[in-house]
Amino acid sequence: KQEVTQIPAALSVPEGENLVLNCSFTDSAIYNLQWFRQDPGKGLTSLLLIQSSQREQTSGRLNASLDKSSGRSTLYIAASQPGDSATYLCAVTNSGYALNFGKGTSLLVTP
Amino acid sequence: SQTIHQWPATLVQPVGSPLSLECTVEGTSNPNLYWYRQAAGRGLQLLFYSVGIGQISSEVPQNLSASRPQDRQFILSSKKLLLSDSGFYLCAQRGSMNTEAFFGQGTRLTVV
Repeated sequence: KQEVTQIPAALSVPEGENLVLNCSFTDSAIYNLQWFRQDPGKGLTSLLLIQSSQREQTSGRLNASLDKSSGRSTLYIAASQPGDSATYLCAVTNSGYALNFGKGTSLLVTP
Repeated sequence: SQTIHQWPATLVQPVGSPLSLECTVEGTSNPNLYWYRQAAGRGLQLLFYSVGIGQISSEVPQNLSASRPQDRQFILSSKKLLLSDSGFYLCAQRGSMNTEAFFGQGTRLTVV
């Protein structure tokens, strides 16, 4: 059974800092990995999708990397802003249809 | 663009009452559809998924059921709610296992 872990569980940084969120998974036979953002009381917003054959994806100030063999992905946020404050979730898809989620990293960016 | 509609946004129901949550999808055909539940302090738990009309797979034994009467409609139901059914229910869709998943805005269910 796929287990997804996100470290740290919570993170507080001052505005302008670059930061890295981590996601690890136990079964490396994945189809893809997707990063999401969740604001309090809201649904999930897709940030980046990385296919198993890819090493990284970029969107604006976000860069996600994937090392399938070691079971790790990182989400890099450049020049953080207070509007980046949210919970960030990673999800992996294996041979089944499910997205298997970690419990998320709660990010607070202070002005 | 792909849009997911979920309603209602919030719901307070007494124990033992029935439940029906609806999810409809626009902008895509024959999507894979999902119901997830997010409980406080826990991760997202997959409840049901569907790869086509009338095709429902359940991930965990529970008090809930799901149906897909139309290609872009997914319904979560219960005949009698339990306190433990409280949580944040999210509907999601994607074209296939290899494509991006999109989520609705969720329904906050409180069973009292």
